[in-house]
Amino acid sequence: NAGVTQTPKFQVLKTGQSMTLQCAQDMNHNSMYWYRQDPGMGLRLIYYSASEGTTDKGEVPNGYNVSRLNKREFSLRLESAAPSQTSVYFCASSAAGGGWNEQFFGPGTRLTVL
Amino acid sequence: TQLLEQSPQFLSIQEGENLTVYCNSSSVFSSLQWYRQEPGEGPVLLVTVVTGGEVKKLKRLTFQFGDARKDSSLHITAAQPGDTGLYLCAAVNAGGTSYGKLTFGQGTILTVHP
Repeated sequence: NAGVTQTPKFQVLKTGQSMTLQCAQDMNHNSMYWYRQDPGMGLRLIYYSASEGTTDKGEVPNGYNVSRLNKREFSLRLESAAPSQTSVYFCASSAAGGGWNEQFFGPGTRLTVL
Repeated sequence: TQLLEQSPQFLSIQEGENLTVYCNSSSVFSSLQWYRQEPGEGPVLLVTVVTGGEVKKLKRLTFQFGDARKDSSLHITAAQPGDTGLYLCAAVNAGGTSYGKLTFGQGTILTVHP
């Protein structure tokens, strides 16, 4: 089992360019999440999908869109990248939300916006 | 969204020393998780504590959940260089529109010198 995979691993964009970060999990999990990680700020939730066919905003959704393509795949799109979106992006999945919600994380995508 | 305060932010110690990391909030959690993250990788779940007053041990790591389920601590005995990394606490929100979602602390960067 690969767990949670993310592509690409690194990306450099110019301001205004667009890109899609891909995430896939092979654990048959219902819920998937996108976080960003910035120094001194832990991880902040961008968007999540509690189950296939649903998506909801997290703490910092502005400037992002998501698509839950199927149960395995959850993509994050930056339509017009800004320097403030320079960050490390993590995708995660869990069997279900609720009181436990133990999440499994991918290796991350390191994005720089110039 | 509840705020989770983690301290200290940085910890630099010698091999063999003991240390404690704290995670505090004014809100009650459904449960609390501790993750460890190594450079260039995603966070990996270490433990979930659910019951107030609960203590869990993982080799040299001891995790405690406060009686009121508002705080937690991670204690490492006889730290080793292999313990070096970023330690994150994450609270599973207890109710409302944020039910089941994780709120992360800012993280503690631990460096253990040989």
